[in-house]
Amino acid sequence: DAKTTQPPSMDCAEGRAANLPCNHSTISGNEYVYWYRQIHSQGPQYIIHGLKNNETNEMASLIITEDRKSSTLILPHATLRDTAVYYCIVRDRFGRNTPLVFGKGTRLSVIA
Amino acid sequence: GAVVSQHPSRVICKSGTSVKIECRSLDFQATTMFWYRQFPKQSLMLMATSNEGSKATYEQGVEKDKFLINHASLTLSTLTVTSAHPEDSSFYICSAVSLLEGFTDTQYFGPGTRLTVL
Repeated sequence: DAKTTQPPSMDCAEGRAANLPCNHSTISGNEYVYWYRQIHSQGPQYIIHGLKNNETNEMASLIITEDRKSSTLILPHATLRDTAVYYCIVRDRFGRNTPLVFGKGTRLSVIA
Repeated sequence: GAVVSQHPSRVICKSGTSVKIECRSLDFQATTMFWYRQFPKQSLMLMATSNEGSKATYEQGVEKDKFLINHASLTLSTLTVTSAHPEDSSFYICSAVSLLEGFTDTQYFGPGTRLTVL
């Protein structure tokens, strides 16, 4: 079972920041927070992951609350190509051979 | 880096035939690959864990004799859907984790294979 809760859908205006929330209130100290996205009819694409510190890469920023019970993925300037289903997943940091368990994710629609 | 390919990308077959799907890690080696399937408007569901040189581990409800998995090398895993039926029509996706210690243990996914059984 997925250990995260995400809103089923969100809209965002093109060019604006998209903030996607995720609750993971039962996360343990050894679990990372991973974000993937799936554009229609494609395989999931890795975006970013973090343990407890905020992270940023060329795609997005990940903000993790101090108690680690929730996080927010930020796409700073959303484009139409960012329209996808975004998945927030927790995974054991020592479980490199443990599969990712996908929940229902958030369907982000970027609107022109 | 960290590219995973799948072949074919799309296949249509008649009921009762078998279909083989290949999953390759192009620029890294992976002792473990995973197979998922996704039905329309649903999320990815794990089917099995493929381990190089050993038998695959199947999730509950997935028939191992129907979905044959062979992980013959550190860069190739194959999924064969035997005696396919229309209810097997789905989007099949593989993923892989790098073998190298210290390398990111992020899972990278293939582009998926769309199977349609007539």
